[in-house]
Amino acid sequence: EAEVAQSPRYKITEKSQAVAFWCDPISGHATLYWYRQILGQGPELLVQFQDESVVDDSQLPKDRFSAERLKGVDSTLKIQPAELGDSAMYLCASSLAPGPYLAYFGPGTRLTVL
Amino acid sequence: DQQVKQNSPSLSVQEGRISILNCDYTNSMFDYFLWYKKYPAEGPTFLISISSIKDKNEDGRFTVFLNKSAKHLSLHIVPSQPGDSAVYFCAAISGSTPLVFGKGTRLSVIA
Repeated sequence: EAEVAQSPRYKITEKSQAVAFWCDPISGHATLYWYRQILGQGPELLVQFQDESVVDDSQLPKDRFSAERLKGVDSTLKIQPAELGDSAMYLCASSLAPGPYLAYFGPGTRLTVL
Repeated sequence: DQQVKQNSPSLSVQEGRISILNCDYTNSMFDYFLWYKKYPAEGPTFLISISSIKDKNEDGRFTVFLNKSAKHLSLHIVPSQPGDSAVYFCAAISGSTPLVFGKGTRLSVIA
């Protein structure tokens, strides 16, 4: 069964360092999402891609976060510099298209900023 | 302002009994609703969904009910099993917008 792949699964870093997360969506899925889930909260959208284009990054803290999906397949989310408040689970999801198409989530990257 | 609300952070149910998880929403433009289940250190997995044109959808032990006039949906699990212990997220979509999630309800099924 096809799955969304993410790496690393866990990342511990010190504040002010740079971190990067990678996501490989299910083959053929044009829509890719990055969500952040803080403990005790629900996932919140950071950025949505349609193929290689950003569709929605209104909630992405652009002073420190960046995301790209250069060839419309895999994607990288970067944080520079990391802050203590960035400690969270970073979830990648993909779907065939936007809207009422099932979004499949990867296992997530658990980030701890010390 | 939270558009999807799950007001019960946790729920404990005995094995074999019914679990009822509730979800309220404020955006009347939402037209598709989903429930995801999440185990610790894993990503959410899809459980069941319902379109706004329906009021009930059933899949095995899981049934979702939608009351559009009350902007309320609920997930029923019958009978509850220990393996159902997880965090359950209610999520909603409007048109082509991304999923909007509630804060989740932690279900504990006690043997």
